[in-house]
Amino acid sequence: AQTVTQSQPEMSVQEAETVTLSCTYDTSESDYYLFWYKQPPSRQMILVIRQEAYKQQNATENRFSVNFQKAAKSFSLKISDSQLGDAAMYFCAYDMEYGNKLVFGAGTILRVKS
Amino acid sequence: NAGVTQTPKFQVLKTGQSMTLQCAQDMNHEYMSWYRQDPGMGLRLIHYSVGAGITDQGEVPNGYNVSRSTTEDFPLRLLSAAPSQTSVYFCASTLQGSYNSPLHFGNGTRLTVT
Repeated sequence: AQTVTQSQPEMSVQEAETVTLSCTYDTSESDYYLFWYKQPPSRQMILVIRQEAYKQQNATENRFSVNFQKAAKSFSLKISDSQLGDAAMYFCAYDMEYGNKLVFGAGTILRVKS
Repeated sequence: NAGVTQTPKFQVLKTGQSMTLQCAQDMNHEYMSWYRQDPGMGLRLIHYSVGAGITDQGEVPNGYNVSRSTTEDFPLRLLSAAPSQTSVYFCASTLQGSYNSPLHFGNGTRLTVT
């Protein structure tokens, strides 16, 4: 069975600084999808970024980028120029190719200090 | 465009009571799913559906039933509530699976079983 591990229960970052959230996963599949979701205190689940395993290029969405290391099964999220609105719980998630069954990590709480 | 609508937002049940969590989407999505969120465990898949009339079990299906009589609705039934079912429940939908389109989440239902 696939598993997703987020080893950092909590992280802090100063406003305008850069922070990296870690995620590792375990799978025997060669094609799959990886996601980072943000959950602010409102409880809403917001997709931050998505990576296809067959693409070597790391995904980027504005201030958010990933470091995808397929051989190491690692998928970290880098947030640049952190803002107060980035404070939230962040979940790393995995889905099989053609799947609809996400496997989530336990989450990392990100605190942003002003 | 309402997206994914979950009702109720909060619910308190006594052990042994039954109830149905409602989920409706207006995006004509084929795929729908239910997750539960517990502290330190992320989100876990309960049941999912790939179309009207088709449902299947996820990672933690025990104690829950689902049905999919229409494309729009995917209710989750708790037949005899237990304290272990205290959790936040999320319904989600996607057009063709997360490989092709992002997962849209409802705002969640916080359920407490006493």
